[in-house]
Amino acid sequence: ETGVTQSPTHLIKTRGQQVTLRCSSQSGHNTVSWYQQALGQGPQFIFQYYREEENGRGNFPPRFSGLQFPNYSSELNVNALELDDSALYLCASSYRGEETQYFGPGTRLLVL
Amino acid sequence: EDQVTQSPEALRLQEGESSSLNCSYTVSGLRGLFWYRQDPGKGPEFLFTLYSAGEEKEKERLKATLTKKESFLHITAPKPEDSATYLCVVHSGGGADGLTFGKGTHLIIQP
Repeated sequence: ETGVTQSPTHLIKTRGQQVTLRCSSQSGHNTVSWYQQALGQGPQFIFQYYREEENGRGNFPPRFSGLQFPNYSSELNVNALELDDSALYLCASSYRGEETQYFGPGTRLLVL
Repeated sequence: EDQVTQSPEALRLQEGESSSLNCSYTVSGLRGLFWYRQDPGKGPEFLFTLYSAGEEKEKERLKATLTKKESFLHITAPKPEDSATYLCVVHSGGGADGLTFGKGTHLIIQP
C-alpha cells in the first residue's frame, strides 16, 4: 500500500510569485485535504477536494486554489505569494465516509 | 467555532516516567477525535481515532481516552524514541469538512 506523497520537499520563492504543490493520495483514497502549518503551530485547514470539486474551505483567501485529478491526486496553487505564506504545507488523504485522514511528509515553502 | 486546547505545551520526562497529555475540546457535534504524532519537519503520523465518550484505544506505550469534554493521551514507561509533538485533532459536524488541530504538546523523553 502506497502512502501519501508530496512534491517538492522544499521550495524557495520570492514575494509576488506563484507556486504549485503536488500530492498523490494513498491507494484507495478518494478525498484530499490541504493544510498550512506555520512554525510552532498546529496545521490549519485550507480546503478539501472530493470527486474533483472543492468540498469545504477554511479561512484562506481566494489566491489559494486547488485541483483534484481523476486519479485523486491534487495540486495546491498559491498566487501572489506573501512572506506569511512561508510554512509547511501538508496534504492528507482519506476515504469518503471514513473519518481518519493520513498525512504526507509535507512541502516546506519559504517566501523571501 | 470549534476549539481544541492542549496542555501542557511542553513536557520533559525521564525515561520510564509515565504521564498524561490533556486535550480539551469544544465542538458542534463531534464526529471523531484523533491523536497524531509529529516529528520535526515531517507530516503528522496517525495514532488513534476515538468516537464516543468512554472509548479507549491502546498502542504500545500509548493509551487514549475520551470524555464529553476532554481526551487524554497516557504514556506509560516512555522511551527516548517517544519524543515528538503530539497533536489532538477534532472533526465536527459543523462547518468545513476539515480537521481542527490543537497546537500540540512537545514531549521530550530524556534517557
